[in-house]
Amino acid sequence: NAGVMQNPRHLVRRRGQEARLRCSPMKGHSHVYWYRQLPEEGLKFMVYLQKENIIDESGMPKERFSAEFPKEGPSILRIQQVVRGDSAAYFCASSPLAQLAGNEQFFGPGTRLTVL
Amino acid sequence: AQSVTQPDIHITVSEGASLELRCNYSYGATPYLFWYVQSPGQGLQLLLKYFSGDTLVQGIKGFEAEFKRSQSSFNLRKPSVHWSDAAEYFCAILNQAGTALIFGKGTTLSVSS
Repeated sequence: NAGVMQNPRHLVRRRGQEARLRCSPMKGHSHVYWYRQLPEEGLKFMVYLQKENIIDESGMPKERFSAEFPKEGPSILRIQQVVRGDSAAYFCASSPLAQLAGNEQFFGPGTRLTVL
Repeated sequence: AQSVTQPDIHITVSEGASLELRCNYSYGATPYLFWYVQSPGQGLQLLLKYFSGDTLVQGIKGFEAEFKRSQSSFNLRKPSVHWSDAAEYFCAILNQAGTALIFGKGTTLSVSS
């Protein structure tokens, strides 16, 4: 059973461009979480999605950031008009059931975004 | 507000020596607590978790952690460290809504020979 897949692993964008980060959860997992890790910081929660629904987006910046998890295909984290402060590692995690049930979140290897 | 504090940014331990990484949390009710390990350039791997019951939790790779409600702590321990344990360690708590993990800033472990 393949783990959580993220691509690309490394992404370089110039200021003002768009960044699209993809996450394929583990097989059978319908819950996806996105986290951002800034240098010298721990991971910060961004958004929690189930298929076709955003459940909790309390950690998402109000502007330029959006996320989706369509019925078919991977979850996408989209950053429009990137700025240097968006440079970070973005991690996706998935779980088979809701976290509240005590289920583990399985993490992908992350996408390292560099904004020039 | 819920929070997790890992007081030690960087710890160096000799190979074969014992290890204790500290974690303190802020939360009124019984927390769901986790320890994750991150190797360079990799994602996070779960070492162990505490939900309820026995306050001493056994995990993978020989790690254990003890939940102490009176001290709001969940310290990670290993009796004998191996060079392959060098990594970054994160303590986390499940948020009140049960929708996300709140992480500490991490402790980097170096192992000297």
